Amino acid sequence: GAVVSQHPSWVICKSGTSVKIECRSLDFQATTMFWYRQFPKQSLMLMATSNEGSKATYEQGVEKDKFLINHASLTLSTLTVTSAHPEDSSFYICSATLGQGRTQYFGPGTRLLVL
Amino acid sequence: AQSVTQLDSHVSVSEGTPVLLRCNYSSSYSPSLFWYVQHPNKGLQLLLKYTSAATLVKGINGFEAEFKKSETSFHLTKPSAHMSDAAEYFCVVSGANDYKLSFGAGTTVTVRA
Repeated sequence: GAVVSQHPSWVICKSGTSVKIECRSLDFQATTMFWYRQFPKQSLMLMATSNEGSKATYEQGVEKDKFLINHASLTLSTLTVTSAHPEDSSFYICSATLGQGRTQYFGPGTRLLVL
Repeated sequence: AQSVTQLDSHVSVSEGTPVLLRCNYSSSYSPSLFWYVQHPNKGLQLLLKYTSAATLVKGINGFEAEFKKSETSFHLTKPSAHMSDAAEYFCVVSGANDYKLSFGAGTTVTVRA
């Protein structure tokens, strides 16, 4: 139980294009979803917290107009990297919480490479 | 605010020997603590969690951790390492009033044959 999927697992795009990453909770309804970014050999950095039907809460230093988050349902959140640039290349990971618990269940991650 | 410190950036063990990954936490309340494992180019998998119940927590794949309030520690152990244990391990603490997680810097475990 508590499986989270991400799609796509890999994406390569040209500079200036937009990329959408999907995060789905497969066997549970997620009250809250989170988006993280991870640089090589580093820990995870929280980008934003997303609740179904409301605007995402972004961490300090994260551009909300560049990283658009939509949480349309209790099982789906999307992250759109708009006008991507090479410095946006990274590993993006989502997570979801089950009910009122604090445990976060993580997706497998999406590797983004912007050329 | 809460934080965690993983005391070892890299741990190398021989297959079949014990593994010890050290984690100290800082928190002004009774924390929820987690250990996650990450294999290369993969997401994070929950190994175990402490949420104010038993101080000795058993997790998956033979791992366990002991919550010691007096030492503000939550060290992860496994009696016998397997080659498949080679990965990155993160000690994590949860916020008091929200679900935000604070991650340690990670410990890379290598297992020698």
